[in-house]
Amino acid sequence: QVQLVESGGGVVQPGRSLRLSCVASGFPFSNYPMHWVRQAPGKGLDWVAVIWYDGSHQYSADSVKGRFTISRDNSKNTLFLQMNSLRAEDTAVYYCARDLRGVGASDIWGQGAMVTVSS
Amino acid sequence: DIQMTQSPSSLSASVGDTVTITCRASQSIGNSLNWYQQRPGKAPRLLIYAASSLQSAVPSRFSGSGSGTDFTLTISSLQPEDFATYYCQQSYSTPYTFGQGTKLQIK
Repeated sequence: QVQLVESGGGVVQPGRSLRLSCVASGFPFSNYPMHWVRQAPGKGLDWVAVIWYDGSHQYSADSVKGRFTISRDNSKNTLFLQMNSLRAEDTAVYYCARDLRGVGASDIWGQGAMVTVSS
Repeated sequence: DIQMTQSPSSLSASVGDTVTITCRASQSIGNSLNWYQQRPGKAPRLLIYAASSLQSAVPSRFSGSGSGTDFTLTISSLQPEDFATYYCQQSYSTPYTFGQGTKLQIK
């Protein structure tokens, strides 16, 4: 079935780095743009970044620009989020999500990966 | 960045009621508006895309309308499983901002 599975979350100290992965299955991954969306504990949804189906374009929120990088490996059906210079305010559940092509909405979501930034 | 403002922030209703949630964009976004449902501890679920298109497998009691800056999500004949938090999102331009959410609670 169509599925997204995130991994790589954990507890990390401020200023350190972490890389999240999201493995896709059940659909032609290379045909779809992909997003990262996060949710701080008890808070609302916060869009993080999007990458085009072929990786040719990436856009990110101002709050993570210059620190987070979205990328993908279509040969491995995998989406990545490299997070550098982490801050306490980056603590959240991070979801990868498939883009409903041409619309910008996210129709398939992973289960989420928890990232906690704390000393 | 485009700001999205939902109202109300919370809402109490009973099974069988009809409720409406409003979302306003800080500038015109055409029909690039999406609605999501999120239950506690779960990932969001897409309900409506492009303002009024019902996502596959979503019950027809959910409907969306609007264009430009003002949008609504209507849920008719509320069912127990509908009590959740709802978010709007604009996909007109990056960053694809979300509204702050509307928590729908059982009265």
